[in-house]
Order: sequence, then structure tokens, then C-alpha cells
Amino acid sequence: AQSVTQLGSHVSVSEGALVLLRCNYSSSVPPYLFWYVQYPNQGLQLLLKYTSAATLVKGINGFEAEFKKSETSFHLTKPSAHMSDAAEYFCAVTLAGGYNKLIFGAGTRLAVHP
Amino acid sequence: EPEVTQTPSHQVTQMGQEVILRCVPISNHLYFYWYRQILGQKVEFLVSFYNNEISEKSEIFDDQFSVERPDGSNFTLKIRSTKLEDSAMYFCASGGDTSNQPQHFGDGTRLSIL
Repeated sequence: AQSVTQLGSHVSVSEGALVLLRCNYSSSVPPYLFWYVQYPNQGLQLLLKYTSAATLVKGINGFEAEFKKSETSFHLTKPSAHMSDAAEYFCAVTLAGGYNKLIFGAGTRLAVHP
Repeated sequence: EPEVTQTPSHQVTQMGQEVILRCVPISNHLYFYWYRQILGQKVEFLVSFYNNEISEKSEIFDDQFSVERPDGSNFTLKIRSTKLEDSAMYFCASGGDTSNQPQHFGDGTRLSIL
């Protein structure tokens, strides 16, 4: 069975500071991993995906994530936070194939302070 | 960019009534999904649909739930006799037929059961 753990339900950073949102996964087979962002009253927007190619994945809005098999991690980072990054971020895992169900983490709400 | 659209954005229904949530997936996608998010909780998989049949369903998706793709463009979720605990945000998603195509989500329907 697959699962995702996101450490920290709330993260607060200052504008311009590094953003680090943590995600650890459990999977018995090589996983596909995703980060989605949810702005208030909106759906889930794909930030980036890992599908067994490059381990360092770049996404939209300056975000990137690194797949580390030895640590079973897929942490999301951004060098410099912007006020518009305030949202909820979800890490998700699925089996290879891309058409299988997504298993989501509990989410991390990111607050950005001026 | 093509997107998944969901209607209505908000549905208020009396307990015991039937509701139908509607979705128009991205036109060339082959896999369709419903997820739900109870307020303050994680996004949970309900059901996946491919080739006009359910390919997987979760424990949540009991006999009160059904899905249909009636006309080749719409994808609906029906709840036959709603309960208070069905109150949630329901997301439709669609995905392509290759492993590199992630699921794209609609903005959701907020279902409130009174």
C-alpha cells in the first residue's frame, strides 16, 4: 500500500525566505510523485511531477522538488517566497502508469509574511 | 490550456435527497476520477472510470454512489440518498493515457447537506 506523510500542517515564512515543505512517501514499487497547490476556493493545480526521469524536478512558479529514494522523500522548495505563494500544498503518490488513483498527504498550509 | 470544469460550484441539499455532480473532463483524456475533501481533511479518492466502467473504487464509494459518462463528454457523480457526512468538496479529475500525463483537477463542487 502507498502512503504520504507531510510533516508540518502549517509552515510560516517571511517574504524572500526559503520555502521548504516536507513530503515522505511509502511505496512498495517505484512511485510517481506530485505536488499540487490549492488556492482558496479553487481546485488542485499541478506544481510539478516526478515520473522516474530526472530526480530534481522543476515546476511552475519557481518551485522544485528532489526525489531521494534513500530517504523516501520528495520535499518541495522555493528559494525565495512571494506573498502569492500562500496556499495549501499537497504531496501525492501514485503507481507508475499515471492513470492510477492519487494518494494524498494531509497538506501543508503555507503562510507568507511581509 | 484545456481544463476540467465542474458544475455547480456549490450545491445545498436536504438530507436524504439525491444529488448529481457534473464534470466535463479534458476532451482527449481517457481516465476520469472523483475525489472528495471533507473540510479540514485530506483529499480522498472515491472512484476511477475508464472505458465506460469503474476501474477502481474506495471503501467510501458504497451503493449510494454511482458514476456515469452519459454522452461522451460529461462525467457525473450521483449520490442517491445524501447523508450529513457527505458534506464535502468533490473534485473531478481527468488523465491521459500515458504515464507522463498527470491528473488535472476541476475547481470542485462544494456539497452542503442540511
